[in-house]
Amino acid sequence: EDQVTQSPEALRLQEGESSSLNCSYTVSGLRGLFWYRQDPGKGPEFLFTLYSAGEEKEKERLKATLTKKESFLHITAPKPEDSATYLCAVQDQDSNYQLIWGAGTKLIIKP
Amino acid sequence: ETGVTQTPRHLVMGMTNKKSLKCEQHLGHNAMYWYKQSAKKPLELMFVYNFKEQTENNSVPSRFSPECPNSSHLFLHLHTLQPEDSALYLCASSQPLGPLTYEQYFGPGTRLTVT
Repeated sequence: EDQVTQSPEALRLQEGESSSLNCSYTVSGLRGLFWYRQDPGKGPEFLFTLYSAGEEKEKERLKATLTKKESFLHITAPKPEDSATYLCAVQDQDSNYQLIWGAGTKLIIKP
Repeated sequence: ETGVTQTPRHLVMGMTNKKSLKCEQHLGHNAMYWYKQSAKKPLELMFVYNFKEQTENNSVPSRFSPECPNSSHLFLHLHTLQPEDSALYLCASSQPLGPLTYEQYFGPGTRLTVT
């Protein structure tokens, strides 16, 4: 059965303290892995799509990486404005629209 | 207006009421989606439309009725809801469904409370 697990459920960091969020997935074949950011009271905001193991993408303080079983979202020297819930979703090769979503990691950056 | 808009942003309704949620996308996309987001649970896909044709009805109760009059507009008609239907309802859009993989763009959501 296709499954996506995100860890930790919540993460509290001091401003400037780098860390990583994990997204583990189980699918028969990966068509794409997506990272989103969601602020309270808002819809998810698209960040990255990764397609194959070894791929990496960066945006400001965020860097997403992908292996055959998991993806990491690395946050370097975070600022309070990086506080949000980060969502991971995967698309199986057998579907052209269905995404399997994780429950998210709530990230809190303290000044 | 840019991106994906949703109205209303907040809705409180009784179990016997009938209401509708509206979504409009300004991105030139041809696929639109309704999702339900409950606290600490993964997003649940409810309905998918591709070029105005319904592609998916993810075992959603009949008290939720979608309508897609064109590729830019999507509605969710609600009637006889239950308290457990209280959630954030998100609309999303993307390039059309097919062999290529496209990201979905979300609206701000409608926070629904059923009393």
